[in-house]
Amino acid sequence: AQKITQTQPGMFVQEKEAVTLDCTYDTSDPSYGLFWYKQPSSGEMIFLIYQGSYDQQNATEGRYSLNFQKARKSANLVISASQLGDSAMYFCAMRELYFGNEKLTFGTGTRLTIIP
Amino acid sequence: EAQVTQNPRYLITVTGKKLTVTCSQNMNHEYMSWYRQDPGLGLRQIYYSMNVEVTDKGDVPEGYKVSRKEKRNFPLILESPSPNQTSLYFCASSFRKAEPGQGTHTQYFGPGTRLTVL
Repeated sequence: AQKITQTQPGMFVQEKEAVTLDCTYDTSDPSYGLFWYKQPSSGEMIFLIYQGSYDQQNATEGRYSLNFQKARKSANLVISASQLGDSAMYFCAMRELYFGNEKLTFGTGTRLTIIP
Repeated sequence: EAQVTQNPRYLITVTGKKLTVTCSQNMNHEYMSWYRQDPGLGLRQIYYSMNVEVTDKGDVPEGYKVSRKEKRNFPLILESPSPNQTSLYFCASSFRKAEPGQGTHTQYFGPGTRLTVL
């Protein structure tokens, strides 16, 4: 069974610093996808970045990058040059990519607070 | 605009009074799903649907019903709500993989429905 672990319930980071949000996962399927979502205080879930298990390079999307270490089963989100608007809850999620499975399994989230 | 909509956004009700939370998407997605979000537990899947008339249980289906009579709509029904169903509910949708080996598709979420059962 797939499992996602986020061990940081909360983080405080100074504005303009880089921040790394930890995510480890467990799966027996060799083909899987890893996602990060942002949930601001308004409540909506915003897709940030995706990494496939067979992707050769780490995913990047603007200030977001995913530090994918397959052997360690970790998929940490790195936010460069943090901004006040980055304050939110962040969820790591995984989907095993066998045919017929569309289920996302989520971690418990990390609440990030950016300090001015 | 491509989107997933949910109604109502906020609801306070009493134990035992049947309610329905609607979910609609305009992206022609095959896959739709309901999640509930509780503090310290993340999002957990309640029910999902692979296509019209095809639904199945997720991880926490007790106390909920769903139906998928049209591709765009996937309502969540609480026949007899109880206080432990107080939660934030999300509907999500995505395309399905058309064949084995195809990459995955991003799931898009609705704005959420905050439900309080007294």
